[in-house]
Amino acid sequence: DTAVSQTPKYLVTQMGNDKSIKCEQNLGHDTMYWYKQDSKKFLKIMFSYNNKELIINETVPNRFSPKSPDKAHLNLHINSLELGDSAVYFCASSFPGTSGYEQYFGPGTRLTVT
Amino acid sequence: SQQGEEDPQALSIQEGENATMNCSYKTSINNLQWYRQNSGRGLVHLILIRSNEREKHSGRLRVTLDTSKKSSSLLITASRAADTASYFCATAAYNFNKFYFGSGTKLNVKP
Repeated sequence: DTAVSQTPKYLVTQMGNDKSIKCEQNLGHDTMYWYKQDSKKFLKIMFSYNNKELIINETVPNRFSPKSPDKAHLNLHINSLELGDSAVYFCASSFPGTSGYEQYFGPGTRLTVT
Repeated sequence: SQQGEEDPQALSIQEGENATMNCSYKTSINNLQWYRQNSGRGLVHLILIRSNEREKHSGRLRVTLDTSKKSSSLLITASRAADTASYFCATAAYNFNKFYFGSGTKLNVKP
């Protein structure tokens, strides 16, 4: 069974377009995240939601808008795509372990903006 | 910034050898975690060490944490070709919800 799934896996689009990436987790976790991994493999947190409420917004441009319809889903909508948005976007979820939060990652969505 | 930084950036060893990679960070943490990322895949959690722990083992993995030096190391013993991947450390702040990753160590284990 897939724990954290993302769709689509690949997304190629032109500058100026609007696109969405969907994420679903079936682990019963309370918290979900979006990360961006750039070409140098640096992984940076973008957003975090806990029980559908936004708890972290790491100075991401307003063109990025996360939406959590329920605690199992966290979607990412991107307006007016720019070349610099090209990256791999990972969704993750977490549930408190005995000493902190372990995260479970989705397979990633490779976004290419041309 | 608060992010972890892994060292070395790349490591190439023969199967059967041990692999050691290091992580340094800048601020106080609640715990530090190591993740593995195979090419084209998401990250997989390997091990978590709390700030009051100094060493932890899991199978062929050994993690150490030195909070005075703000550093951690991950040792993979008796490496296998299947260990070829990128390895990331992630530091968790005391509010737990924020994690900071570095750019990883790319490990290549040659058969």
